[in-house]
Amino acid sequence: DADVTQTPRNRITKTGKRIMLECSQTKGHDRMYWYRQDPGLGLRLIYYSFDVKDINKGEISDGYSVSRQAQAKFSLSLESAIPNQTALYFCATSDRTGGALNEQFFGPGTRLTVL
Amino acid sequence: DQQVKQNSPSLSVQEGRISILNCDYTNSMFDYFLWYKKYPAEGPTFLISISSIKDKNEDGRFTVFLNKSAKHLSLHIVPSQPGDSAVYFCAASATGNQFYFGTGTSLTVIP
Repeated sequence: DADVTQTPRNRITKTGKRIMLECSQTKGHDRMYWYRQDPGLGLRLIYYSFDVKDINKGEISDGYSVSRQAQAKFSLSLESAIPNQTALYFCATSDRTGGALNEQFFGPGTRLTVL
Repeated sequence: DQQVKQNSPSLSVQEGRISILNCDYTNSMFDYFLWYKKYPAEGPTFLISISSIKDKNEDGRFTVFLNKSAKHLSLHIVPSQPGDSAVYFCAASATGNQFYFGTGTSLTVIP
């Protein structure tokens, strides 16, 4: 079984709808992240969480919110989806020990299309 | 503004030859750098990292070079293999909390 899972894997929705993307991990890591990937822009950090009570905005948090329900679960919400939120979304985890060079482990991604 | 740039969107190399992927950054505070590889329909996977106290880190066929004065790093793959065909992202951080990713370079290794 995959260490970092994302649901759904694909989603098509309409402008104005509320959408939640979910991420679960079995790695026992404290740190979790949400990124989006757009063509020509690479991966950009939306939010990150270093433990259940620690939530931080990333580079592009406007229009998004997150919830860290447990150490293993981190969900991303779009309260009112708009077409320019069409993108590939990745969840990632990392271990807090070992410092800044800790690799991040990524989920398989969720392809979101907002019509 | 993009703080980490990969100016070559694509690169093609013959099997067995060297692949050199480049990455430039603008923030002089960056002191941690990582490379990730991404296959289609999968998430990125970690490849190799380097901190600013070093100028080279090697792991098997993969070597990362860091030139702090030029704010430039490169990933060398020797010898290149068809299985190395993927998109490669470099990422940089000043604090280890937030990583800034480049736009990626698509490497094709021709058998």
